[in-house]
Amino acid sequence: SQELEQSPQSLIVQEGKNLTINCTSSKTLYGLYWYKQKYGEGLIFLMMLQKGGEEKSHEKITAKLDEKKQQSSLHITASQPSHAGIYLCGADTLNTDKLIFGTGTRLQVFP
Amino acid sequence: SQTIHQWPATLVQPVGSPLSLECTVEGTSNPNLYWYRQAAGRGLQLLFYSVGIGQISSEVPQNLSASRPQDRQFILSSKKLLLSDSGFYLCAWRSRGRTSGRGNEQFFGPGTRLTVL
Repeated sequence: SQELEQSPQSLIVQEGKNLTINCTSSKTLYGLYWYKQKYGEGLIFLMMLQKGGEEKSHEKITAKLDEKKQQSSLHITASQPSHAGIYLCGADTLNTDKLIFGTGTRLQVFP
Repeated sequence: SQTIHQWPATLVQPVGSPLSLECTVEGTSNPNLYWYRQAAGRGLQLLFYSVGIGQISSEVPQNLSASRPQDRQFILSSKKLLLSDSGFYLCAWRSRGRTSGRGNEQFFGPGTRLTVL
């Protein structure tokens, strides 16, 4: 079965610093989804990537899918306290309508 | 625009009591619907999903069941709660294309925090 591994598990950065979160799949990615979650709340959809080499940006967050479609990265530029939360990657599974998810990366941003 | 609702937001129940969590979606039709449980604020465990009224797929054998009595309503139930049922329950929906929801974004509800004492 397909598995998603996220790294790092936890990240503490100073406000204004850049950071990167990685999501690595054990199989080819056909659809990769990034979500953000604040404690006790639902997941907020950030971006979806489908094509090898694809890159999308929203405000200060950029997500990329590598050419081989087995790894995605989420990059935050000039982090702010509002970026704090848990970031999860999700992926389409072959021949099903289910998404599988990574275990998440907890981001803390201190002033 | 589409919205997804879950209630209640929080619930404290004694062991052995029944459970009913409800999820409704507005602004779309014939969505895929999903129930997840999240422990320790981290990984999501898919419990059930449904591609249509009355169609339920169970991912993990356990003390819970799901039903979809209407197109945009998804219910999670238990006859007798266990301590291990405590957690954060999330409902999600996804548009279906001609044959599946693959390639479409999946959207989550606000969640229900269940504590079983």
